Amino acid sequence: QSALTQPASVSGSPGQSITISCTGTSSDIGNFNLVSWYQQHPGKAPRLMIYEVTKRPSGVSNRFSASKSGNTASLTISGLQAEDEADYYCCSYAGSNTLVFGGGTKLTVL
Amino acid sequence: QLQLVQSGAEVRKPGASVKVSCKTSGYTFTGYYIHWVRQAPGQGLEWMGWVNPYSGGAHYAQNFQGRVTMTSDASITTAYMELSRLSSSDSAVYYCARTLSAWGLNAFDIWGQGTMLTVSS
Repeated sequence: QSALTQPASVSGSPGQSITISCTGTSSDIGNFNLVSWYQQHPGKAPRLMIYEVTKRPSGVSNRFSASKSGNTASLTISGLQAEDEADYYCCSYAGSNTLVFGGGTKLTVL
Repeated sequence: QLQLVQSGAEVRKPGASVKVSCKTSGYTFTGYYIHWVRQAPGQGLEWMGWVNPYSGGAHYAQNFQGRVTMTSDASITTAYMELSRLSSSDSAVYYCARTLSAWGLNAFDIWGQGTMLTVSS
């Protein structure tokens, strides 16, 4: 199972919006509505931001939204804040009781 | 409260084995799968597999099959991950994580603090 493809880095200024893509195949993202997104600050455990493609857990800011089209999922962060600077990972169910992560995207808030 | 607390950092020599524990609390242990995810220094997250504390069943990522064993002990609400035939490439932080719902292959809502494994001769 190959890792999902994410851009290595994205950046934006405070207040702007950014989008991180996550490209898989018809065997994972394209076949299941089971994409999740995680935020990870340096030295910390990942934190769930989005699950089942578009759902936000309680406590996650509504500045975080997500979608999916075909084999590509996307995470959008609006109104960028300094605290959003972190690594972001997508994850998808890939069938046959397996999961697969993306390679991760480093978000820099300029 | 809901939490997963992992065992402490480990150092092993190449060829050895390691067993990491994940003590859970604050929820019904047998109601949710526990997954294991690792992160090598400066690298991304890598999914390793899961254990179902209700049935004891487990499933592993292809990269780890034959070398990893995931188990659980409901009497002490603890999950374990044992990795054998270690090499330097296994040096990483290992996380346990609970699935969001009773269906065990959804997202991970609670994570352990991570256990650092160093493999060095």
